Amino acid sequence: AQSVTQPDIHITVSEGASLELRCNYSYGATPYLFWYVQSPGQGLQLLLKYFSGDTLVQGIKGFEAEFKRSQSSFNLRKPSVHWSDAAEYFCAVAGSYQLTFGKGTKLSVIP
Amino acid sequence: DGGITQSPKYLFRKEGQNVTLSCEQNLNHDAMYWYRQDPGQGLRLIYYSQIVNDFQKGDIAEGYSVSREKKESFPLTVTSAQKNPTAFYLCASSIDRDSNQPQHFGDGTRLSIL
Repeated sequence: AQSVTQPDIHITVSEGASLELRCNYSYGATPYLFWYVQSPGQGLQLLLKYFSGDTLVQGIKGFEAEFKRSQSSFNLRKPSVHWSDAAEYFCAVAGSYQLTFGKGTKLSVIP
Repeated sequence: DGGITQSPKYLFRKEGQNVTLSCEQNLNHDAMYWYRQDPGQGLRLIYYSQIVNDFQKGDIAEGYSVSREKKESFPLTVTSAQKNPTAFYLCASSIDRDSNQPQHFGDGTRLSIL
């Protein structure tokens, strides 16, 4: 069965600083990978997805993620964080007709 | 605009009572999903439906039931058998049954016990 690990429960960064959120997955075949963002009391919004091809994927809101098969990782990055990026971020891997989500990383942004 | 509508936004349940959470989508998606979210636990799959009149149990189906009589609707009933129902419930849909398709989410229903 597939699984996702997000090692960091909570990260705090200063506005304007760079950001990297870690995601490690376990899946037997070529994975389909996703990053979602959730604001408090809201649903999840898709940031980006990886299916195949270029290992560096661009998403919305200036986010990107890099797929590294050798490390089983799919880390999310942003070069300069804005206060509005404060939210919870979820990595997910697609399996048999369902997604498996990590437990999330909460991002706080210091003005 | 197309999307997923969950109602109500807040719901309270008395002991021994069944409650039903509504999920409606106008995206013409075949597949629909229900997740439960608890703090620090991420999202856990309760039930999913890949087509009308068919649904499958997810990882934590005990104490829940669903129906899929119409393509656009996938209501979730939290039964009295669910002893710890307090959580945030999210409904999602995807264009078809392939798991590589992105899922679109509603804004959730927060269920609490009176």
